[in-house]
Order: sequence, then C-alpha cells, then structure tokens
Amino acid sequence: DAKTTQPPSMDCAEGRAANLPCNHSTISGNEYVYWYRQIHSQGPQYIIHGLKNNETNEMASLIITEDRKSSTLILPHATLRDTAVYYCIAARGAQKLVFGQGTRLTINP
Amino acid sequence: DAGVIQSPRHEVTEMGQEVTLRCKPISGHNSLFWYRQTMMRGLELLIYFNNNVPIDDSGMPEDRFSAKMPNASFSTLKIQPSEPRDSAVYFCASSPSGSGETQYFGPGTRLLVL
Repeated sequence: DAKTTQPPSMDCAEGRAANLPCNHSTISGNEYVYWYRQIHSQGPQYIIHGLKNNETNEMASLIITEDRKSSTLILPHATLRDTAVYYCIAARGAQKLVFGQGTRLTINP
Repeated sequence: DAGVIQSPRHEVTEMGQEVTLRCKPISGHNSLFWYRQTMMRGLELLIYFNNNVPIDDSGMPEDRFSAKMPNASFSTLKIQPSEPRDSAVYFCASSPSGSGETQYFGPGTRLLVL
C-alpha cells in the first residue's frame, strides 16, 4: 500500500473549516484513500473514503486531486469535539489498514 | 446498536501472568480485527478474521500471542506469558463484509504489565 504523508499538527478556530492535507504520491490505481480519526482515549472512527471522485457525507468532504497524488479532508464547521488525530490511509481494501502518525488537529475556541 | 464491545476496559497484571482480552463484534459483521497501540509504534494490526477464520496473523509479535474466534460473536486475544513491553491499548474492530468496508472500533483495553 502507498505511503501517506501528513503534517504532524494543525490548529483551526471553532466554526471555521478545517482542511487537512494528505500526500500519497505513490498511490496506485486500485488504492482507495481512507480517513479515520481518533479522539483521545477512544478507538479510531471512520470518516470517509474515496477512489478518485470527491466524496461528501454527514461528517466531512474528501477532495482528491485529479492525479490522485494528494487529497484534502474538509470539516466544514469545526467544533471543539473535532479535536483528534486524523489518519489518512491509502489501501486496496479496508482490511489491512496501515495507520501512520496522522495529524493532530486542535480546534480552538 | 451497542457497537463493538471489549472487556476488560483496563487490566493490570504482573509479568509472567496470562492475559485474555475479549471482543464482541457488531452483530452481522463478518470480519474482526485486533490492533495494538503504543506511543512508540502507533496503531498496529495484529490479526484479522473473516467468517471466524484467521486470514492474516503476520502482525502478531511472537508466539506468546494467540487469537481465536470460536463463533461469529466472540473473539479472544491471549498473551501468555505477559511481559512489560506488552503494555499497550488493544483495540478490536469489526466490519460488515470481507473487503472494501469500513471498520468499527471498540473502546479498547488498556493493558499494563508490571
């Protein structure tokens, strides 16, 4: 599975959009981009995934560049409860997910 | 839906003792995963099952670790004998089908081996 690169930490003001970048320049054509997050002392939580089209659900939007070498997770109106570590994972299937160090997102009041 | 249930939530034991962690997946889910999380190594997949059959145990650190899934609603991860370096948070996750589905994680078991 392709390696992903994320900034170690980010800050965002409450109520603003949080845009979390992920680089996956070696992604292959059959690999999906998955996003999970882990709130302190809890298990990871699935957010969204996509192959090449942009995706949106009730939690977030996923924007994948046309060349698929990078993507951005967007939390449209961040709240304090969105403070967590966010993991971007490139994988052929959901069964062998390799979690990196992720981005520690802090939402500030 | 109760979600993935893990027990115990916290376990403190002494080196050399046997430790058994338990997991009840979400009803109807066909795949079950065991992960370990430490500060040094992050979140690592230990083993996963499809339809109660172990598919990939390449992440199991050594023979002291074993996992079973006797039926669709129960799995155990056993460490015997336990060592201080096994101290970690152990997560169980389940997913609805064999591939391409999202994983739902339990709250984890925090293990401390003294």
